[in-house]
Amino acid sequence: GAVVSQHPSRVICKSGTSVKIECRSLDFQATTMFWYRQFPKQSLMLMATSNEGSKATYEQGVEKDKFLINHASLTLSTLTVTSAHPEDSSFYICSASSGTGSNQPQHFGDGTRLSIL
Amino acid sequence: GQQLNQSPQSMFIQEGEDVSMNCTSSSIFNTWLWYKQEPGEGPVLLIALYKAGELTSNGRLTAQFGITRKDSFLNISASIPSDVGIYFCAGQLSGWGKLQFGAGTQVVVTP
Repeated sequence: GAVVSQHPSRVICKSGTSVKIECRSLDFQATTMFWYRQFPKQSLMLMATSNEGSKATYEQGVEKDKFLINHASLTLSTLTVTSAHPEDSSFYICSASSGTGSNQPQHFGDGTRLSIL
Repeated sequence: GQQLNQSPQSMFIQEGEDVSMNCTSSSIFNTWLWYKQEPGEGPVLLIALYKAGELTSNGRLTAQFGITRKDSFLNISASIPSDVGIYFCAGQLSGWGKLQFGAGTQVVVTP
């Protein structure tokens, strides 16, 4: 149980393109999803917290107009990197928690490797 | 964001040896989690700890939630080649809140 699916697994696109990444909870309802960014040989850096039916909460330094988050249902959150540039190249990972009570650990998707040329 | 202090940064061990790593924080957490990440993949949950002093095992893995709620350790016994990866600790204040991650411990197991 607690499977989180992320799609696509890899994206290579030209500078200026907008890229959408999907995060789905397959066997549970996720009231809260989280989006992380990870650079090589570094830890995960939280970008934003996505709550179903409400606006995402962004961490300090993360541009909300650059990284658009939509959590329209209890099983799907999307991250859109708008007008992507080479510096946006990174490994993006989502996680999901059912959030219906205590002791609900976050489970992670397999990540999306984004490469901007 | 703020990171936990995780050590060691890396470990090179021989197959069959035990591995120990720990995380410390200046602030308390109500939940400690340990994840393993392999190249090109997302972290996989290994052990979740919810109570100070709790000692939990998952196969050859054992983790403990420190009494002060500011630290946790993970032990891997009798390591095997598939234990290779990066192990992250994570602290959490509420059961569904955001995680604070350690910098990770890279484990390399040689036959």
